[in-house]
Amino acid sequence: GENVEQHPSTLSVQEGDSAVIKCTYSDSASNYFPWYKQELGKRPQLIIDIRSNVGEKKDQRIAVTLNKTAKHFSLHITETQPEDSAVYFCAASRDMDSSYKLIFGSGTRLLVRP
Amino acid sequence: EADIYQTPRYLVIGTGKKITLECSQTMGHDKMYWYQQDPGMELHLIHYSYGVNSTEKGDLSSESTVSRIRTEHFPLTLESARPSHTSQYLCASNPSWGGTEAFFGQGTRLTVV
Repeated sequence: GENVEQHPSTLSVQEGDSAVIKCTYSDSASNYFPWYKQELGKRPQLIIDIRSNVGEKKDQRIAVTLNKTAKHFSLHITETQPEDSAVYFCAASRDMDSSYKLIFGSGTRLLVRP
Repeated sequence: EADIYQTPRYLVIGTGKKITLECSQTMGHDKMYWYQQDPGMELHLIHYSYGVNSTEKGDLSSESTVSRIRTEHFPLTLESARPSHTSQYLCASNPSWGGTEAFFGQGTRLTVV
């Protein structure tokens, strides 16, 4: 079946450093790639997403890049802050496909050390 | 307010009891999901529905069952709860068309004693 692999499973960085989380997807027809952040005790929430017609998208300190040929996409967080500490999930889906489900990666626990 | 609601938030129940976890969304989404998640860990898909009267089992084998009689409602039932069912259960939904952002409920933390 279709799957999304996510690495690393845990990531510890010093405050102010950058963090990069990588995901690889198997379904070449996937065209929508969201990233979710789940803080301790809370529900996952969308922080950024990218569609396959775009190679990069930025929102302040967060950016996502997509390489369709290699079927991988990455989340980049610059100038990390303690409040960035959370579990991050990538996902892949086919937009405009009524029967296709969203497939999540296994998650990355990010710890930002003050 | 458009959102996705889960009840109860917390449930402690004895072994062998039948339970139903409720999930409702007011966004008109066709797709709904149930995930099992231990704290801070992977989201394991246990059930999926892409519309009324459609349900599929997810990647993680589960003894629970679901129904989708109405678009907005996707309850999960455990006929006989066991301690191994202790976990957090998250419900989510997203639209089929024009954008696929998924919204999650607050979750139900189930403890079976």
